[in-house]
Amino acid sequence: EPEVTQTPSHQVTQMGQEVILRCVPISNHLYFYWYRQILGQKVEFLVSFYNNEISEKSEIFDDQFSVERPDGSNFTLKIRSTKLEDSAMYFCASVGAFSYEQYFGPGTRLTVT
Amino acid sequence: GNSVTQMEGPVTLSEEAFLTINCTYTATGYPSLFWYVQYPGEGLQLLLKATKADDKGSNKGFEATYRKETTSFHLEKGSVQVSDSAVYFCALYSGAGSYQLTFGKGTKLSVIP
Repeated sequence: EPEVTQTPSHQVTQMGQEVILRCVPISNHLYFYWYRQILGQKVEFLVSFYNNEISEKSEIFDDQFSVERPDGSNFTLKIRSTKLEDSAMYFCASVGAFSYEQYFGPGTRLTVT
Repeated sequence: GNSVTQMEGPVTLSEEAFLTINCTYTATGYPSLFWYVQYPGEGLQLLLKATKADDKGSNKGFEATYRKETTSFHLEKGSVQVSDSAVYFCALYSGAGSYQLTFGKGTKLSVIP
């Protein structure tokens, strides 16, 4: 069964460094999402992406964040200058053309020290 | 704005016990409601859904009924198994062009033999 994959599974970085989290959505899907979950808190929506542009973003998704689909298969989330409060589990999700079911990846745990 | 409140965990049950995980919501319009499950080391998987009032979603022995009058979508299972041990998330989206999911905090269920 097709699945969404994410790499790395765990990323440790120092405050102020740039990180790129990678996702490979299901191959014929058209809508892509990033969510995050700070430990012990809710899963929160960050951004949705369709047709090579951002369709929605939350107030969390400020200028430090960006998304890209560089090659038609990967979907990346970049954090330019990480802060301690960016430490969280980041989930990628994708949706097919005639569905609203979001298929989630296993997540990347980001630890900022 | 939209919000989802679900019962705090963790919940520990013996095998074959009855499970209820409460979920209530606040949303504009007519939201669609979901339960997602996350098994250890895996991504969020859609467990069941309901798209309108009085709909009952069901899957793998789990059920939840969309109750508009009480704004609730409680998850139930008559007889849990050890393999049901996971984290369960209640979620909604309000549609109308927005498909971002709003999640509850998640409830960790442990089933012991």
